[in-house]
Amino acid sequence: QIQLVQSGPELKKPGETVKISCKASGYTFTDYSMHWVKQAPGKGLKWMGWINTETGEPTYADDFKGRFAFSLETSASTAYLQINNLKNEDTATYFCAPIFAYWGQGTLVTVSA
Amino acid sequence: DIQMTQSPSSLSASLGERVSLTCRASQEISGYLSWLQQKPDGTIKRLIYAASTLDSGVPKRFSGSRSGSDYSLTISSLESEDFADYYCLQYASYTFGGGTKLEIK
Repeated sequence: QIQLVQSGPELKKPGETVKISCKASGYTFTDYSMHWVKQAPGKGLKWMGWINTETGEPTYADDFKGRFAFSLETSASTAYLQINNLKNEDTATYFCAPIFAYWGQGTLVTVSA
Repeated sequence: DIQMTQSPSSLSASLGERVSLTCRASQEISGYLSWLQQKPDGTIKRLIYAASTLDSGVPKRFSGSRSGSDYSLTISSLESEDFADYYCLQYASYTFGGGTKLEIK
């Protein structure tokens, strides 16, 4: 069965960098692009963008251009989300989802001085 | 950008009741719409795709429909496990609705 297992919670200070992983299993990794979704505490879901798992080309939603980077380790069926120069408003749970039929469990990133 | 206006934002209903949630698309999305359920523990599950196709394993009390730019999710008879947050997602260009919190009355 298809599973997406994300890395554990992170506590970071403003200005630091975080890299979240999403390991896929149960399907051919390159069959589906990987989407990333942000959910701030008590708020709704927000689409961040996606990465083409065949080419590695990322596409970012407007609000996520600049400090955010999607990457892949195809040999390990793993996608990554890196957030640079963290800000308090980056505090959220981040989800990975290929084609939105399957979802990771989410990774909570807390940014606090 | 395509906006998805979801209503109501919250809904209080009783076990066995029939409820409907709606998302209105600001532009044509050609039926590229999914409904997602998020449980209190954060787990997200897709219920419906292509506006009205039920995902495998999803109970038949869930159904999706379209009328013009309005897309609806209907739960025919609420069960206890249905009390959760619901989101629509248009995947023509990817926008989520604001969500509906479905609570027990």
